[in-house]
Amino acid sequence: DAGVIQSPRHEVTEMGQEVTLRCKPISGHNSLFWYRQTMMRGLELLIYFNNNVPIDDSGMPEDRFSAKMPNASFSTLKIQPSEPRDSAVYFCASSSSDDPYNEQFFGPGTRLTVL
Amino acid sequence: AQSVSQHNHHVILSEAASLELGCNYSYGGTVNLFWYVQYPGQHLQLLLKYFSGDPLVKGIKGFEAEFIKSKFSFNLRKPSVQWSDTAEYFCAVNAPYSGNTGKLIFGQGTTLQVKP
Repeated sequence: DAGVIQSPRHEVTEMGQEVTLRCKPISGHNSLFWYRQTMMRGLELLIYFNNNVPIDDSGMPEDRFSAKMPNASFSTLKIQPSEPRDSAVYFCASSSSDDPYNEQFFGPGTRLTVL
Repeated sequence: AQSVSQHNHHVILSEAASLELGCNYSYGGTVNLFWYVQYPGQHLQLLLKYFSGDPLVKGIKGFEAEFIKSKFSFNLRKPSVQWSDTAEYFCAVNAPYSGNTGKLIFGQGTTLQVKP
């Protein structure tokens, strides 16, 4: 299994531009999580999906952030318009409800820099 | 609400020293417990996990953790650290029967620096 796949791995953009981050969970996993990691705030859960349905988006910082999961194998996190304070590493993780541990498997992350 | 507290934010050790990182959680029911490690510039990887059974859990790279239910603790230990253990360590808890299936609550993380 290829694990959780994220793209792009690095993104540099200018303030005001739209940014789209992509995630492919592990095949067969039915929960997907988006996290943001910064030095100042540590690891934050932004939103998570179960069976493609958003369950908890209370961590989404503001309306500029949106996430979708159109099918079981793909999710996007969009920032529009982007701001320098959005610079962070964004991780996607997936898990399976068939796993009694509910272990989450993390992707390699997307390092976003907004100039 | 559930929470996870890691007492040490930054730990500096010399090689061969023993390590213990504290983790406490606040939830009275059944929990799954995890320790993840994040090496510099990399993503989070699972070190070990506890679901049930023997409260002393052995993980990869010589790490172990002990679940003490009465203390709501899941401390991480390693008898002799190596320079390559330099990383950030995260404790996490999942309450599988609380309605938050799959969601992990993470601690703030502990940065471990091992001096050669």
